[in-house]
Formats: sequence, C-alpha cells, structure tokens
Amino acid sequence: QSVLTQPPSASETPGQRVTISCSGSTSNIGSNYVYWYQQLSGTAPKLLIYRNNQRPSGVPDRFSGSNSGTSASLAISGLRSEDEGDYYCAAWDGSLSGVIFGGGTKLTVL
Amino acid sequence: QVQLVESGGAVVQPGRSLRLSCAASGFTFSSHGMHWVRQAPGKGLEWVAVISHDGSNEYYADSVKGRFSVSRDNAKDTLYLQMNSLRAEDTAVYYCARGTHYGQAGLFDSWGQGSLVTVSS
Repeated sequence: QSVLTQPPSASETPGQRVTISCSGSTSNIGSNYVYWYQQLSGTAPKLLIYRNNQRPSGVPDRFSGSNSGTSASLAISGLRSEDEGDYYCAAWDGSLSGVIFGGGTKLTVL
Repeated sequence: QVQLVESGGAVVQPGRSLRLSCAASGFTFSSHGMHWVRQAPGKGLEWVAVISHDGSNEYYADSVKGRFSVSRDNAKDTLYLQMNSLRAEDTAVYYCARGTHYGQAGLFDSWGQGSLVTVSS
C-alpha cells in the first residue's frame, strides 16, 4: 500500500494539458521535496521533476511540478503520443525514515 | 556520462540468499548516497534501501528490514544488496539509483537498467 496517493490512470488527447495529483501527509510531502519520475514501456524510470518544481536539463518545459501543503501535482501540456507511460511521485518520509512512492499513474494519450 | 550497471539477478528458491551488485562509473561514486528500488512484474516502484555516501547510514523499507543489507565499496565504485531469506514476494526487477549525498530524499537522478530476481521453487 502506497503512502502517497495517485490516480491510477489519466488520459487526454494530443496537444491538451493533463494534471496528475499526488497526495501525502505532513511527514512526507508536507516537510520534504517531491520528485516525479516517468517510466516508458520496458525502460527504467527517468527523473522528470526534482525539488517540487525543478526540471533536469533535457526535460522539456511542457512538464511542470507544483505543490501545496501535503499535495503535489505534475502537469504536462502540449501532450504528445510519446508521453504515454507511467508517472510516479516520490518523497522522503520522516516518520518511516525512508522513501515512499505513489502507486503510479498510467497516462494514455488518446 | 553516469552509468550504473546491475548484475547478480537470478532464479532462486524461497529461503535462499542472493547478492546483487551495481557497478558505477562516470561520476564520483563516494559523493553520492545510493539506493535500491524494485518493481514487481506489472506493479509500481517500491523503494528498498539507501546507503549514505560514506556507508555510515543505512535505511530500509519495512518489507525487507532484517533480511536485506545494503553496502558499498567506494574503492571499487560498487554498490551491493545482500538478500537473505528470500520470499516469492521479493520477485522483481531491482534497480540501483544515484541519490543525494546522504540519500535522505526521494531523488534518484540516474538509474541502472535493472536486474531481475525471481524467487520460485
């Protein structure tokens, strides 16, 4: 059972914008940075957003992160077919003394 | 460029042991905390363990605590995961991933290709 809660699926048409939520608590999102990962089919995960809203070099600015209190969200604008895959949020949890992941959201570009 | 290469995955019987290795290159290994993350077939990501840059601190997921042990050899730029008392539910692809200095964050900025561990009789 994931401590961070994500919707299991999301879908949108090409060119549109989609938002994926990640809900936690004061011991994780409420007190530590949130990170987002993209996992395309058959590949290792890739860092998409770090420290809540920062993009690593090479990640398009179509991807953005934000958070408020004990929740975070990932927004993807100008959707492309190659964005189809699984998206995970992650954060350190001070109560568990470990990293926790969300259950993952499967994004379908219709 | 940063490269992480896992090895040691195998088919193993329940109750047996296995050790995974992760060879690192392209960065100063001794400056980074290192993690193990696993993914069961068709399931999501599950964090397993982290070791700080100098090996002085380790943290484990409750699901593996007391059975798994993470270690590192900074002279060999290699990370290890010793897995004992393996169970069917430990079946997964195991990834090593680079973290922050002390590893106490959800940052994994580079990942290996993964090593498959199958626990089955």
